[in-house]
Amino acid sequence: DVKVTQSSRYLVKRTGEKVFLECVQDMDHENMFWYRQDPGLGLRLIYFSYDVKMKEKGDIPEGYSVSREKKERFSLILESASTNQTSMYLCASSLGGQDTYGYTFGSGTRLTVV
Amino acid sequence: LAKTTQPISMDSYEGQEVNITCSHNNIATNDYITWYQQFPSQGPRFIIQGYKTKVTNEVASLFIPADRKSSTLSLPRVSLSDTAVYYCLVGDGRGGGFKTIFGAGTRLFVKA
Repeated sequence: DVKVTQSSRYLVKRTGEKVFLECVQDMDHENMFWYRQDPGLGLRLIYFSYDVKMKEKGDIPEGYSVSREKKERFSLILESASTNQTSMYLCASSLGGQDTYGYTFGSGTRLTVV
Repeated sequence: LAKTTQPISMDSYEGQEVNITCSHNNIATNDYITWYQQFPSQGPRFIIQGYKTKVTNEVASLFIPADRKSSTLSLPRVSLSDTAVYYCLVGDGRGGGFKTIFGAGTRLFVKA
């Protein structure tokens, strides 16, 4: 089975800190995604990447950046964490877009910014 | 971008068949329809995907009418462990244009 591993299940950070969320997949998938999930809002796409060093903005990229230096790793960076970035962050990967095999998600990182 | 509309919540009892319908009026020719299941504190899990007519796997069936403007996820004989949020997604994801939209999903509650 494809595995998508997020480095932390829970994180607590202070306002203004630079935060790194790491995601690793082990099945040579081309595409990787970062979503955030908030109650009543479903999942919202922050950034995605369809190749190494390639990235595209999703629907809510403000306040975030990403890095994909290796195919298996996709990092989400909060440049200066704010309380409105408290959320559940979900990483996903897919082989050929969601029309082919669908996404495989990690277990999520629950980030609290205080 | 094809937006989806689903019921916010549904209740059922163990052993019943549950049908969750999703509307996607502006689905594009290249779009597929995919359903995911999410338990609390976990990421969504792929259930089933289809393009037209009917698809069935060991977990569920997916019914898509000819106009493809809606789809129905059918869960046979649900159990308590099927209590989860179910998301309907529409998109093709080809090329660099990934803009798959997750709606708020349908919260299914299965009672004993």
